[in-house]
Amino acid sequence: GEDVEQSLFLSVREGDSSVINCTYTDSSSTYLYWYKQEPGAGLQLLTYIFSNMDMKQDQRLTVLLNKKDKHLSLRIADTQTGDSAIYFCAESSASGGSYIPTFGRGTSLIVHP
Amino acid sequence: EPEVTQTPSHQVTQMGQEVILRCVPISNHLYFYWYRQILGQKVEFLVSFYNNEISEKSEIFDDQFSVERPDGSNFTLKIRSTKLEDSAMYFCASRSGVNEKLFFGSGTQLSVL
Repeated sequence: GEDVEQSLFLSVREGDSSVINCTYTDSSSTYLYWYKQEPGAGLQLLTYIFSNMDMKQDQRLTVLLNKKDKHLSLRIADTQTGDSAIYFCAESSASGGSYIPTFGRGTSLIVHP
Repeated sequence: EPEVTQTPSHQVTQMGQEVILRCVPISNHLYFYWYRQILGQKVEFLVSFYNNEISEKSEIFDDQFSVERPDGSNFTLKIRSTKLEDSAMYFCASRSGVNEKLFFGSGTQLSVL
């Protein structure tokens, strides 16, 4: 079945860039997502990218997709303490027409002053 | 922004007891989902629900689990006889179309003692 892997922790200094990486196995993935979870809150969709794109930028967020290597990354520029959260990578495909996202374990981003 | 609401935020139960986790999806949404996350593990898909019936379910969603949309606004997950390994954070999600943005609730932390 589909699998999504990401590292569990990332620690950065405030003002630096953060890069969170993710790999996935489903070659038919159509959409790839980044979700953010703050303490006590639900999963908030940050951004997503279609599989026919290789980059998407949205303010401080840059998503890079290497479809050949099945590698997705999220870069957060000028990381702030408010960016501290768990970031989940997810992918979905048109399998059965359901587009049900498959998630990784989440990467805990810790931003220190 | 509209929200998916889940209650309770925490539920403690004894092994073997029945629990019902409640969700109020966003009002014009048609597709409903339950996911769970065991501590330190991946966010796992349990079940999807559309047009008053289950459209897809994972291997985790066995006979002990059931879902219901009793009144057109609530969407519930019932676990008939809880086991220790059912302890997890349970997330409800909804969306307006099968390939639209998925909105998550803040989760119910279920602890089975």
